[in-house]
Amino acid sequence: DAGVTQSPTHLIKTRGQQVTLRCSPKSGHDTVSWYQQALGQGPQFIFQYYEEEERQRGNFPDRFSGHQFPNYSSELNVNALLLGDSALYLCASSLKAGANVLTFGAGSRLTVL
Amino acid sequence: TQLLEQSPQFLSIQEGENLTVYCNSSSVFSSLQWYRQEPGEGPVLLVTVVTGGEVKKLKRLTFQFGDARKDSSLHITAAQTGDTGLYLCAGVRTDKLIFGTGTRLQVFP
Repeated sequence: DAGVTQSPTHLIKTRGQQVTLRCSPKSGHDTVSWYQQALGQGPQFIFQYYEEEERQRGNFPDRFSGHQFPNYSSELNVNALLLGDSALYLCASSLKAGANVLTFGAGSRLTVL
Repeated sequence: TQLLEQSPQFLSIQEGENLTVYCNSSSVFSSLQWYRQEPGEGPVLLVTVVTGGEVKKLKRLTFQFGDARKDSSLHITAAQTGDTGLYLCAGVRTDKLIFGTGTRLQVFP
């Protein structure tokens, strides 16, 4: 039973570029949440998707956007990259009914130069 | 603003020692979770505590939720090298997690 899979695992971008990160949830899960984890810190909530809609959003600018597809997979898009966007981006999936029981992926490590 | 502060930030101990990690907040949470994260991996859920004053044990790990549901502690007895990792507490609020600042534990043989 595959858990949460994320791609790519690592990527390097330059300031001003745009990036798309992808996430496939654990089999049977219908809700996807995205977190940003800066080096040496705890993850911070970006947003949550359920039924292809953004349901909750953390304190992140509009440069951060997302999408959920009918198969429950999700994408995180970040526009106009800043150096401070360098971080590990974690995707977590859950069942809406038990949305605080999360399974995390291994993350996508983004470096902005 | 980090709602959950963990202490200590770093901990380096010898195998066999005991340790306690603290997670403190001025806010009340409906429940609190503890995770362990190893390099190159996502956080893995260890436990969820729900009731104020609740104590849960997971082998050598003991978790306690404060009576007022604002703070928690994790105690590890007789630490092993396999306990090495980043320990994160997370408060549950309206179906999202508010993570703490993290405690990086290194256990030496």
